[in-house]
Amino acid sequence: KAGVTQTPRYLIKTRGQQVTLSCSPISGHRSVSWYQQTPGQGLQFLFEYFSETQRNKGNFPGRFSGRQFSNSRSEMNVSTLELGDSALYLCASSLFGLAGGLGTDTQYFGPGTRLTVL
Amino acid sequence: AQKITQTQPGMFVQEKEAVTLDCTYDTSDPSYGLFWYKQPSSGEMIFLIYQGSYDQQNATEGRYSLNFQKARKSANLVISASQLGDSAMYFCAIKSPGNQFYFGTGTSLTVIP
Repeated sequence: KAGVTQTPRYLIKTRGQQVTLSCSPISGHRSVSWYQQTPGQGLQFLFEYFSETQRNKGNFPGRFSGRQFSNSRSEMNVSTLELGDSALYLCASSLFGLAGGLGTDTQYFGPGTRLTVL
Repeated sequence: AQKITQTQPGMFVQEKEAVTLDCTYDTSDPSYGLFWYKQPSSGEMIFLIYQGSYDQQNATEGRYSLNFQKARKSANLVISASQLGDSAMYFCAIKSPGNQFYFGTGTSLTVIP
């Protein structure tokens, strides 16, 4: 079974630009969650999508948005990039998502997209 | 709110020895799950092991085992027979139904040949 895939793996952008990251979950998984990982803040939850609906959202500004398609693939968009947005962006998929019962909600992560904002 | 604490920023272990990585948690939910992930320098978070709050026995997965002490709210990861490939960051996480995952700050493990 193929794992979670993320594209691109590396991105370099300049301040003010926007960026779109893509995540394909494990086949059959309907939930995709996004995380930002930085050395200073650690792993921070961005949002979760389940069956094309955003179900949970972390404490990030509106510049961070996402969507999920009918095939469960998800995209994350960051507009008006800032230097502080430089981070590793990880997506994770699970069967039932954050509302799933214990044992069924294990998240499996992709390799991440490393974004550098200059 | 839920919280995970990993007090060991860095650990060293000799190859083939066992090592314990500490994790304590705080939650008021009676039902929750505890997870350990490994993150090599490549960046991918690899799921290692899961323990449910109602599980009577400690979870084991190959060389990984979880020392779950519910009353003390601790869920330490034990890696037996360490290998060079075990060198990585290790994250403990907690989740209860309806809530997001909360991750600790991680422990960097270095296996010395």
